[in-house]
Amino acid sequence: GQQVMQIPQYQHVQEGEDFTTYCNSSTTLSNIQWYKQRPGGHPVFLIQLVKSGEVKKQKRLTFQFGEAKKNSSLHITATQTTDVGTYFCAGRESGGSNYKLTFGKGTLLTVNP
Amino acid sequence: NAGVMQNPRHLVRRRGQEARLRCSPMKGHSHVYWYRQLPEEGLKFMVYLQKENIIDESGMPKERFSAEFPKEGPSILRIQQVVRGDSAAYFCASSPPSGAAYNEQFFGPGTRLTVL
Repeated sequence: GQQVMQIPQYQHVQEGEDFTTYCNSSTTLSNIQWYKQRPGGHPVFLIQLVKSGEVKKQKRLTFQFGEAKKNSSLHITATQTTDVGTYFCAGRESGGSNYKLTFGKGTLLTVNP
Repeated sequence: NAGVMQNPRHLVRRRGQEARLRCSPMKGHSHVYWYRQLPEEGLKFMVYLQKENIIDESGMPKERFSAEFPKEGPSILRIQQVVRGDSAAYFCASSPPSGAAYNEQFFGPGTRLTVL
């Protein structure tokens, strides 16, 4: 079945440093979504990427979808303590069930003030 | 507009008891998804339901687990004869009826199940 891998599993940064998490799928995706989960909280939708090579920005967050639609990344510029949490990517398999999201294990970001 | 609601937020059961987890989707949403999250793990898809229909239960264990989404009332995830390995956070998500393939999913706060 489809697998979605995310690296790194953990990332600790000093406030103001940049952060990147990478997501790789074993199969081609129709779209990919990113979620953020604060400690003790629930996943909150951040963004969805659909097109090959798509790049989207939300303030300090930059999301990319690979040309082959099998990988994606999330980059945070100048991290702040409010960025703390686990970032998950979730992909929908191309040609597969059009609703099922397969989540990566997430990257836990901690920020030292 | 209230978000996705789940109750209880925390549930403690002894081995062999039953656990019932409830999920009320966002207003206007007719698609409900259940996920299980183990500590330091991602979310694992369990089941996808629409009103009165189970669309996909491929992620749900065949025994002891069942889900429903009746015409009236919340969606219920039921776990019979719980075992310690069932301890996890169970999240419900909902999405609007059209374009399921491209909809974001709105997650509820989750139910943290602890089996003693």
